[in-house]
Amino acid sequence: GAVVSQHPSRVICKSGTSVKIECRSLDFQATTMFWYRQFPKQSLMLMATSNEGSKATYEQGVEKDKFLINHASLTLSTLTVTSAHPEDSSFYICSALPRGSSGNTIYFGEGSWLTVV
Amino acid sequence: GDSVTQMEGPVTLSEEAFLTINCTYTATGYPSLFWYVQYPGEGLQLLLKATKADDKGSNKGFEATYRKETTSFHLEKGSVQVSDSAVYFCALGVAGGGNKLTFGTGTQLKVEL
Repeated sequence: GAVVSQHPSRVICKSGTSVKIECRSLDFQATTMFWYRQFPKQSLMLMATSNEGSKATYEQGVEKDKFLINHASLTLSTLTVTSAHPEDSSFYICSALPRGSSGNTIYFGEGSWLTVV
Repeated sequence: GDSVTQMEGPVTLSEEAFLTINCTYTATGYPSLFWYVQYPGEGLQLLLKATKADDKGSNKGFEATYRKETTSFHLEKGSVQVSDSAVYFCALGVAGGGNKLTFGTGTQLKVEL
């Protein structure tokens, strides 16, 4: 089946540094990718929607200058957490919508645990 | 706004027990409803879905029926196995919503021998 891979699966970074998380669709092209974050015992919250070749659309309350999203190709989207702080520690997960598919066909990555110390 | 509420976990069951994980929703419009499963160390996978009222989604022995009158989509399985241990997420998507999904908090299921 379709595979979406995230890297790294776990990352620890120092407060004030930036960290990049990659989301790749391994065997299909994804025109749209979504980034979610999840705090302990809370829902996955949509952060932004990225379409290949255009600027990401951020959900209300998500700082676009802090969470930089780039979708430069049909198989790769990146999320960069800039000037990370401990409150950014969370589980980040991406999903990808295959090119030409309906909205019900969305594939998720394994997620990335970010810990800011 | 749209929201999904599901029962808190963890839910611990013995093998072959009956499983119910409750899920209720609020939404504008007519949502599609989904159950996703996340096994340890893996990404979310679509388990089953229903796109309109009274539809029943089923897969791998799991079932859920779209109940518009009670705004519910409870997940059930008649006889769970150890291999069903995972986190289960209920979600909804609204037509015209840009393929965005609204998730519940997830319910961890642990099945013991």
